[in-house]
Parts: sequence; C-alpha cells; structure tokens
Amino acid sequence: DAGVIQSPRHEVTEMGQEVTLRCKPISGHDYLFWYRQTMMRGLELLIYFNNNVPIDDSGMPEDRFSAKMPNASFSTLKIQPSEPRDSAVYFCASSLGILNTEAFFGQGTRLTVV
Amino acid sequence: DQQVKQNSPSLSVQEGRISILNCDYTNSMFDYFLWYKKYPAEGPTFLISISSIKDKNEDGRFTVFLNKSAKHLSLHIVPSQPGDSAVYFCAASGLGKLVFGAGTILRVKS
Repeated sequence: DAGVIQSPRHEVTEMGQEVTLRCKPISGHDYLFWYRQTMMRGLELLIYFNNNVPIDDSGMPEDRFSAKMPNASFSTLKIQPSEPRDSAVYFCASSLGILNTEAFFGQGTRLTVV
Repeated sequence: DQQVKQNSPSLSVQEGRISILNCDYTNSMFDYFLWYKKYPAEGPTFLISISSIKDKNEDGRFTVFLNKSAKHLSLHIVPSQPGDSAVYFCAASGLGKLVFGAGTILRVKS
C-alpha cells in the first residue's frame, strides 16, 4: 500500500475562495482523521470518521469548514470561504482502530491563504 | 483547553547524550499514549507507545515512561543521534479520539 495520500501538497489561494483538500486512506483502515498543524497549537484534531461516518467534529473551527467521506477510499476537507488565518498544514491520517493503534499520516497539504 | 501538553517547545542535545522529552495530560480517561516523530515536509510517523497499565516500554534506543499518578510521560532517547533531530509529538488515546500535544523540536548536535 502506498500509505495515506493527500492532494494537493501545496495550495495557495486568495481570501474568500473555496479550498478543497483531498485524502485517500490506507485500504482497510476504518478510521480517518483530519488534523491541522500550526506553530501555536501543534496538531489539532478537526474531525474524524469511523466507517465513513463522522463521529466527532468538535474540532472544526467554524461553519466555513466541512468534511465528507463519501466512501471508504476518499475524504475531503473543504473551506468556504477561506481566510488568511486558515493558513496551516493540514494532515489526513488513517488507522485500524482508535483506542490503541497507531495512526498513519499523509504528507500533508500546506495551505496558504493570501 | 489543551488535554495534552508539551511545555518545552525545543530541546538541544549533544550527540551521544540522552534526550528527554516530556508530556503531561489532564484527563485520566486516556488509556494509551503514543509518541510520533515528524521531519520537515513529511507527515508524523509513529515511534513508540505505552498502555496505561504499564509504566515503561522500551524499543531500542527509545524508552517511554508513564507516571499515571502525575499524569506525566516522557520519552528517552539514548544515545541521541543527529538523525533524531525532528519534532516529537506526544499523543493520548481515549474518549474516542487521539489527541496530540503541540510538539517539541529536538536538535541533536554533532
């Protein structure tokens, strides 16, 4: 397996535009996580899915953020409209379980909103 | 409210010496703890973990210690190598989620 695949690797967009980040988890993993990394707060959990169903989205900062997982092999994180303070690295991760198994991370998407 | 805290933003250690990275957590419901390592432009990768029923887990040069009464865990790297220079994230599992600390930048000088 190629691991968790995220696209794009880098995204530069203007304030107010819609941004969509994409993730392909490792096949067979039933948990998928979206994290955001910033200098101030480190790795923040935004939302996670179990078997394609959103379980906890309490980390999603605002209604401008939304995430979907239409099937077991694909998830999106959308920001609409984007703002400069959304600039960060966004990671997707997947795992076989949540209680005691490691999560495998993608390489991340570096988002810059100007 | 940060449930997992890494109070040292950075640590600098001489090659061959011990590196000690610390982590505190606030919620006693966490039952599994993990350390991840992250190089620039890459995603975090799993390093070592420990269950809450243990107080020590060792894997080669890496040892994680857990003090449940103090809600504290630490990662020891002995001997430290320049290739260990990275950001280290502490994570806690439980309550249906995996929560990370803010990370500690480790620099190992040769």
